[in-house]
Amino acid sequence: GNSVTQMEGPVTLSEEAFLTINCTYTATGYPSLFWYVQYPGEGLQLLLKATKADDKGSNKGFEATYRKETTSFHLEKGSVQVSDSAVYFCALEPIQGAQKLVFGQGTRLTINP
Amino acid sequence: GAGVSQTPSNKVTEKGKYVELRCDPISGHTALYWYRQSLGQGPEFLIYFQGTGAADDSGLPNDRFFAVRPEGSVSTLKIQRTERGDSAVYLCASSLLGQGNSPLHFGNGTRLTVT
Repeated sequence: GNSVTQMEGPVTLSEEAFLTINCTYTATGYPSLFWYVQYPGEGLQLLLKATKADDKGSNKGFEATYRKETTSFHLEKGSVQVSDSAVYFCALEPIQGAQKLVFGQGTRLTINP
Repeated sequence: GAGVSQTPSNKVTEKGKYVELRCDPISGHTALYWYRQSLGQGPEFLIYFQGTGAADDSGLPNDRFFAVRPEGSVSTLKIQRTERGDSAVYLCASSLLGQGNSPLHFGNGTRLTVT
């Protein structure tokens, strides 16, 4: 079946630290991969996506590369800010374009000043 | 402009009662989705509407759950004979076309607590 496994949280970092949140997936076929973010008191928002192997999604200083050989889509940011504190969800779309997403369990990130 | 609106934001009900959760999608969005997010978990797909019809209801857990979208805009998720295990945040999302290139816009959710 289709599933997503994310790094367990919570993750606490200091401002300007390097961030990695690991995400691996299991899927048949060629899924699209996403990172969603949920800021306190707000709804889920798309952060970035990639639709094929070796694609790199990027937004707001965050990046993730679709690695088919390792079935991974790790989220990285070179220098985090307090405003990046949120819950991050990795997700896959088993049938591209169908928007029927399979989410990981989420990783809570707290950035201290 | 207005985003996806869900009401109520919180609902507490007793076991066995009936509840309705409402979703107002972004105006003009043809596709509407319901997801359920249990504590400490990611959202799980429930049902997808394209226009007025349920295009995919494979995520509904059992026949106590039902959703409608009679005019192709507002949707209502209905849960009969609620159980404590139904406690979760119910998320609604909409997209312009229901296709990969139109991003999903999520509401803030309705937190349902069954006592």
